[in-house]
This record gives sequence, C-alpha cells and structure tokens, in this order.
Amino acid sequence: RKEVEQDPGPFNVPEGATVAFNCTYSNSASQSFFWYRQDCRKEPKLLMSVYSSGNEDGRFTAQLNRASQYISLLIRDSKLSDSATYLCVVAGSGGYQKVTFGTGTKLQVIP
Amino acid sequence: GAGVSQSPSNKVTEKGKDVELRCDPISGHTALYWYRQSLGQGLEFLIYFQGNSAPDKSGLPSDRFSAERTGGSVSTLTIQRTQQEDSAVYLCASSLPGLAGVIFGPGTRLTVL
Repeated sequence: RKEVEQDPGPFNVPEGATVAFNCTYSNSASQSFFWYRQDCRKEPKLLMSVYSSGNEDGRFTAQLNRASQYISLLIRDSKLSDSATYLCVVAGSGGYQKVTFGTGTKLQVIP
Repeated sequence: GAGVSQSPSNKVTEKGKDVELRCDPISGHTALYWYRQSLGQGLEFLIYFQGNSAPDKSGLPSDRFSAERTGGSVSTLTIQRTQQEDSAVYLCASSLPGLAGVIFGPGTRLTVL
C-alpha cells in the first residue's frame, strides 16, 4: 500500500462549481499534513496546512480525519485559475520527519 | 537568497556522460530533499538529508545516482553514465527543523540524448 494515495483524476468541473479531493495515508503516526498546488511545468507550492480542527482560507477548506486517516480539500466557487494538480503531503513519524507526497489530483476548471 | 535555487536550470547531455546538479537550500533549513518528475507524472522521491543524520537514500533508482550535502547546506546530485530514462525535471526542496512544509526550487530539466 502506498504511504499517501490520491485519485489522479482528472476532475473536470465547470466554473463556479464546488469540488472536493480526498487523500488517504497509511502511517497513523503521521503528524503534519499539507496541500500543495502544482501548475503545469512549475514546481509545487504550498497551498495550505491542514489542522486537526480543520481550516479555511478563502474558497479553500482543508480537513483532517485521523480516525480514518484521510485529509480532504474543498474548493468552492471554482475559478479557471484553480486548474492545476493538487498534491497531498504527509509528514513526520516519531523522530523521522520526512515528508511524503501523493502523486496528485488533476483539476481542470472549464468555462 | 530568498528561496531555494538550483543550477543549471536546463542540462542537455549525451547518453553515458556524468552530470552534476546543484541545490542551494534556504539558509537555516536543515532538511533537504531531491525528487524527480517525468513529464505528466508525480514526484518520485530520491533522497532526504536531515541535519547531521545519515541520509535516507531509499529512493535512489540505481547506484548510478548519488548525492551529498556539504556543511549542512549546498547539495549536489550526481548521475553517472546517464541513460535516456534519466530525462526528467530534478527538484530540490528544503524545510525548517520540525514539521514545516517544504519549499521547492525551480528544478533542473535534464535531457539525455
């Protein structure tokens, strides 16, 4: 089983739609969680951290479910500029703090 | 500098040649990662350095690949006897101690002819 698993998509959604991505992780001792965004031919960039209580940044909401070992990203009112690949990241297990990236979910917002 | 820098930005080489890719992490970042990404594919973990600990080399695809990090700062990824399947973007990332998110450099695009 992969350490971090994501549906590769693509998710094709119309502008204004709400879309949600899930990501599952295998190591229950993982301590930190993030969502990254990667545009075509660019390096990944941090979108937001994911906190146990859930957190929101504008149109983006991230949630963590430790019991089921998954994290989610919800994008409301999708914009054309949201088209990108969204990478789930899990970090930290005991003293070994290496981050592990999922393979990403591709989102295409269509006019 | 303000961010992670990598050099060269592009490298074209002939099959069988050796190449060296350089990464300058953000000052103070103790963790450093190398990944590679083939066109349309996800990130492939190569190696992880954390402070003075022994590096995690579990992602290196063959013994043609090696990396070092001098003085806890600059890192060099070396690929010996390059093959066409080594063609990819090689990304370096660094992070602060603890469980902070990583920051990526712009990558080196390697093309092996």
